[in-house]
Amino acid sequence: GAGVSQSPSNKVTEKGKDVELRCDPISGHTALYWYRQSLGQGLEFLIYFQGNSAPDKSGLPSDRFSAERTGGSVSTLTIQRTQQEDSAVYLCASSLLSGANVLTFGAGSRLTVL
Amino acid sequence: AQKITQTQPGMFVQEKEAVTLDCTYDTSDPSYGLFWYKQPSSGEMIFLIYQGSYDQQNATEGRYSLNFQKARKSANLVISASQLGDSAMYFCAMRELIKTGANSKLTFGKGITLSVRP
Repeated sequence: GAGVSQSPSNKVTEKGKDVELRCDPISGHTALYWYRQSLGQGLEFLIYFQGNSAPDKSGLPSDRFSAERTGGSVSTLTIQRTQQEDSAVYLCASSLLSGANVLTFGAGSRLTVL
Repeated sequence: AQKITQTQPGMFVQEKEAVTLDCTYDTSDPSYGLFWYKQPSSGEMIFLIYQGSYDQQNATEGRYSLNFQKARKSANLVISASQLGDSAMYFCAMRELIKTGANSKLTFGKGITLSVRP
């Protein structure tokens, strides 16, 4: 597609439920990133995928968070047993392997945990 | 240790005037890249400008320029001729190219809110 596509754009869930957030990167972009942005805050790195290499999971805040990337394209971020502090906007970005490797971001998935 | 520092409180500028948004960074990596992104109230992150640590000249992109002072580890964004549409959050970010790789994560600062007054 023309840009990075994320779904759902908004998700309201109850504490303790599992949620899945989806990211469809720009075609041809081999690097994919997940960030989290809490209200009024900066971006917190979660995880990074690069081709067939092992992902950099150093930013995942707990073992309730996991992500996978199938076929080197679409990625799913899963949060198990959601907590209220998980409420945030989850941003996905992708990039080419050239030049400055500028990240192109999606519009984000806003998660609200009640 | 905080790698990207943006400490200015909310900034205000009069339309058509220039404004400088401050960013300092901390790294021991001799090769790194610096980025600025804009986030309007709609939420999308918009790439503005990039500066490589070995670039000889300061980066410019239209009304945006980057005042890169390597010895002081600062990478301030200058917006000339401010427009109402420039009102947004602005984030400075860095990638350490040797430590983490040319395609690795960006580390973001906490951002600065800019409001342009008519």
